[in-house]
Amino acid sequence: AQSVTQLGSHVSVSEGALVLLRCNYSSSVPPYLFWYVQYPNQGLQLLLKYTSAATLVKGINGFEAEFKKSETSFHLTKPSAHMSDAAEYFCAVTHGMIYNQGGKLIFGQGTELSVKP
Amino acid sequence: NAGVTQTPKFQVLKTGQSMTLQCAQDMNHEYMSWYRQDPGMGLRLIHYSVGAGITDQGEVPNGYNVSRSTTEDFPLRLLSAAPSQTSVYFCASRRDSPYEQYFGPGTRLTVT
Repeated sequence: AQSVTQLGSHVSVSEGALVLLRCNYSSSVPPYLFWYVQYPNQGLQLLLKYTSAATLVKGINGFEAEFKKSETSFHLTKPSAHMSDAAEYFCAVTHGMIYNQGGKLIFGQGTELSVKP
Repeated sequence: NAGVTQTPKFQVLKTGQSMTLQCAQDMNHEYMSWYRQDPGMGLRLIHYSVGAGITDQGEVPNGYNVSRSTTEDFPLRLLSAAPSQTSVYFCASRRDSPYEQYFGPGTRLTVT
């Protein structure tokens, strides 16, 4: 079975500071990993994805994540936080065979990011 | 392209009532899914479809039915609403590759 754990349901950073949102996964087969962002009262938007190509993945809005198999981690980072980054972030896992059978993404519980001026 | 659209945006039901949440996409995606989002639990898969005429259950299917008669539409039916079904419901669709899943804006459902 696959699972995702996001460490910290709330993270607060100052504007201009480093953003680090943690995601650890469990999967018995090579995973596909995703980060989604949800702004208030909106649907989810894909930030970036790892599908077995380069381990350092760059996404939209200056975010990036690194797949570390030895640590079973896929942490999301951004060098300098903006006020507009305040949102909820979700990590999700699947693997190719399941995904091609219908898109069974397993989501983490979410991390709410606050950005202080 | 409108992307993934959902109606209604908000709905209040009484216990025992039935209703259908509508979802449509205009991207010709084969895969469509329904999720529910509850505080502290992320998103959980209710039902999904890999193409017209083919549906299957996700993690939390009880109390919900789906059908897929066309590529574009994937309605979710609540058979007899219960307070435990109070949630925000998201419909999503995706192409086979590069695996990006597109989400609708959501339907906020309250069951009293």
